[in-house]
Amino acid sequence: EPEVTQTPSHQVTQMGQEVILRCVPISNHLYFYWYRQILGQKVEFLVSFYNNEISEKSEIFDDQFSVERPDGSNFTLKIRSTKLEDSAMYFCASDDRNQPQHFGDGTRLSIL
Amino acid sequence: AQTVTQSQPEMSVQEAETVTLSCTYDTSENNYYLFWYKQPPSRQMILVIRQEAYKQQNATENRFSVNFQKAAKSFSLKISDSQLGDTAMYFCAFMKPNSGNTPLVFGKGTRLSVIA
Repeated sequence: EPEVTQTPSHQVTQMGQEVILRCVPISNHLYFYWYRQILGQKVEFLVSFYNNEISEKSEIFDDQFSVERPDGSNFTLKIRSTKLEDSAMYFCASDDRNQPQHFGDGTRLSIL
Repeated sequence: AQTVTQSQPEMSVQEAETVTLSCTYDTSENNYYLFWYKQPPSRQMILVIRQEAYKQQNATENRFSVNFQKAAKSFSLKISDSQLGDTAMYFCAFMKPNSGNTPLVFGKGTRLSVIA
């Protein structure tokens, strides 16, 4: 079965540094998402993306965040200047119309 | 805005027994989708089961079944013949009608421990 793949599985970054989290959605899916899960808390929506533009974003997704689909397969989340509170598990998901969202295994981001 | 409430932060069940996890939600939509996702210690998010609100029949997937009560806005998950591998966090999630690009709204989760 096709999978959403995320790299790296764990990223450790100094506070203030930029970080890019990468995702390869399922190839025939059209809609892409990023979610965040702070340790021990629920999964929270960050942003959705379709047709090369953001469709919807939550209040968490402020100016330090950006998303991009630089080529036909990758979907990236960039955090411009990381803060301690950005430490979390970041999940990428993709789906197609009337299909459930499939999640990647997540990237654990640790900000020091 | 939609909200999802899971009132049981933790539950435990003996292996081979049956357990029910509760979920309620709030929405003004008439058509929508509901999901249960499982998150084992490995931290993946795995789809367990989904229910379309317009379907009256409760969804089942092997040992997993739901009790969907639309009027009560309740969506509980029943796990029969519990196995050690069922130990995980379970998240209930809501999605508005899927015209594409619709984010999921998650509950806070229930941590289920299956005991040998």
